[in-house]
Amino acid sequence: EIVMTQSPATLSVSPGERATLSCRASQSISSNLAWYQQKPGQAPRLLIYGASTRATDVPARFSGSGSGTEFTLTISSLQSEDFAVYYCQQYINWYSFGQGTKLEIK
Amino acid sequence: QVQLHQWGAGLLKPSATLSLTCAISGGPLSGYYWSWVRQSPGKGLEWIGEINYDGGTNQNPSLKSRVTISMDRIKKQFSLTLTSVTAADTGVYYCAREIGPQVYSSGWYDYWGQGTLVTVSS
Repeated sequence: EIVMTQSPATLSVSPGERATLSCRASQSISSNLAWYQQKPGQAPRLLIYGASTRATDVPARFSGSGSGTEFTLTISSLQSEDFAVYYCQQYINWYSFGQGTKLEIK
Repeated sequence: QVQLHQWGAGLLKPSATLSLTCAISGGPLSGYYWSWVRQSPGKGLEWIGEINYDGGTNQNPSLKSRVTISMDRIKKQFSLTLTSVTAADTGVYYCAREIGPQVYSSGWYDYWGQGTLVTVSS
């Protein structure tokens, strides 16, 4: 089983600033990684797949990078609607998700 | 626009069987895996299993003995059955469409149902 570890658990950032979220895989997953955003009471929303490809209608301020075991989701200039929980997911060996990073307003 | 709408019983007693159904609209069934994912405070997001248009299924090894996923192609619905539930099965259950770089390859989830809260309690 591939274990996905996200850090930090909570990230406090001011609107307009940059946020950097990390995801680490317990073994190499190449670029088989997706990122999701989840708001309270809603289903996860796909942001990034293939580690760096933005999904349809996802704003350009969201970007993903990394390969192998280390991955990063960057939000370049935080908007009010970006404060949410973010999850990474690997899909090279079945499917597993990280425990999430809560992005909160500073 | 693809839409997934799911329903099923929300309150179950221990040892009962969980049954959920997900209806697909706005897109084709073929070429994708249709999946079930659950979310609980203790385990976070957890993949349960998936089915494709041809009826091929895969299940999470940790749940495999209790999980059945089926598809009704005429109604464009797929269903989840989870037997012998316990409190550990409490959580929000989602249906989702999985898409990958090739047809039927492993991938990510681009459309999700609204979620169903399932509570297991005596």
